[in-house]
Formats: sequence, structure tokens, C-alpha cells
Amino acid sequence: ETGVTQTPRHLVMGMTNKKSLKCEQHLGHNAMYWYKQSAKKPLELMFVYNFKEQTENNSVPSRFSPECPNSSHLFLHLHTLQPEDSALYLCASSQDPTGYDTIYFGEGSWLTVV
Amino acid sequence: SQKIEQNSEALNIQEGKTATLTCNYTNYSPAYLQWYRQDPGRGPVFLLLIRENEKEKRKERLKVTFDTTLKQSLFHITASQPADSATYLCALRRLTYGGSQGNLIFGKGTKLSVKP
Repeated sequence: ETGVTQTPRHLVMGMTNKKSLKCEQHLGHNAMYWYKQSAKKPLELMFVYNFKEQTENNSVPSRFSPECPNSSHLFLHLHTLQPEDSALYLCASSQDPTGYDTIYFGEGSWLTVV
Repeated sequence: SQKIEQNSEALNIQEGKTATLTCNYTNYSPAYLQWYRQDPGRGPVFLLLIRENEKEKRKERLKVTFDTTLKQSLFHITASQPADSATYLCALRRLTYGGSQGNLIFGKGTKLSVKP
């Protein structure tokens, strides 16, 4: 139990589908993140939310749409994805919204786009 | 360009030996550096954090050093065990003055295999 829960753990979707990834943190943290992890590449930061407000969008294509209804929940809405979007999507949280803090990761959602 | 390099994609060692993993960075003024462990199909798990004004940090069988002159961190696992087999990631937090959170930069990781 990491304190950050992601669902689903595995998702297969077609390029015309719409799906969502869900993340919930049980740590009372104020900041939440989405990262993408592709094979042989470093973790890539996608989005950052502080106190429900988006503070960073790392030039992510609009086919990825985040939503943060409260400090404990974070969604990543997916639509018209490409096969190269197949990757492990990791949600994370931290206490310190300035980022000078350890971040805690969920187990990830494996996404396959066919 | 700014980057972090973990010199080895893979490291194979014998049980009981000390594993030493390397993380080098260029063009950063680091605030601190972190090491994470990642098992296959799982999210990274935080292990240790070392600040730019610290030379060494220890936690049980783990030791991290940070040399800002060499721009390098070394991560040691002493008396290694097969259960230590995993991918180890280093991540560097740059010094900023605006409080931006986008500045935790990860290396690609080193896959450690400890053979019995």
C-alpha cells in the first residue's frame, strides 16, 4: 500500500476510444502529478496540480486532459490517442506544493493503444 | 542541454558484494538529489534524499554520496541480496527561485541484478 492508488492498472484502448485514468491519494498531500514512463526513457512530468489548481503543463498534447476535483483525486482523460502513447502512466503526490519534497508514486496504469 | 545520466543500463553482481550505481548530471545547480527503487510493473519507491550541502547519507545498507564538484552521486548497497534486484532511478531537483515544481528530473535508471 503506497498511499497513492491508481485505477485501472491495465487499460487497452483503440485510437478512437475515450477513457480515463483515476488516481486517489490517502496521504493528505497538497500536490498531485501525472508522469509518463516509456521503455528506455526517463520519467516525463506531464502535469502538476497544487491545491486543485493546475500549475504546470509540460507541453502535453491536448488528447490528454487532466482533471483535479479536489486535493485527493486526479484524473487523466484520454481521447483519440496514438499507439506511441502506450506507456506506464504514474500518478504521484507530495506534501509540499513548492516541490522541495519527496514525492510518492502510485503503482501506475499500463496503457496500450491499439 | 541539461541532463542526468545513469552510466549503466544494467549492473550484475554477486550476492554479498557491494553494488555501486552512478548518477552524473550536467548544467544544473542542484538543490538535492533523490534515489528511487522501481520493481517491474510497479511505481518508483523513494529511498534516500541528499541535499547539495551534504556529502553522504546512510540508511541501513544504503549509502549515497553527492559530489557537486564532480557533478556526481554514487549509490551503494552493501552486502547485496537477490531481493535488492530492481531498477534504481536517480532524480535531481534543481535550484529555482520561483517555487516551480517541474524541476525534478529523472535519469533512465540502472537495472541491478544480484545473483545468489
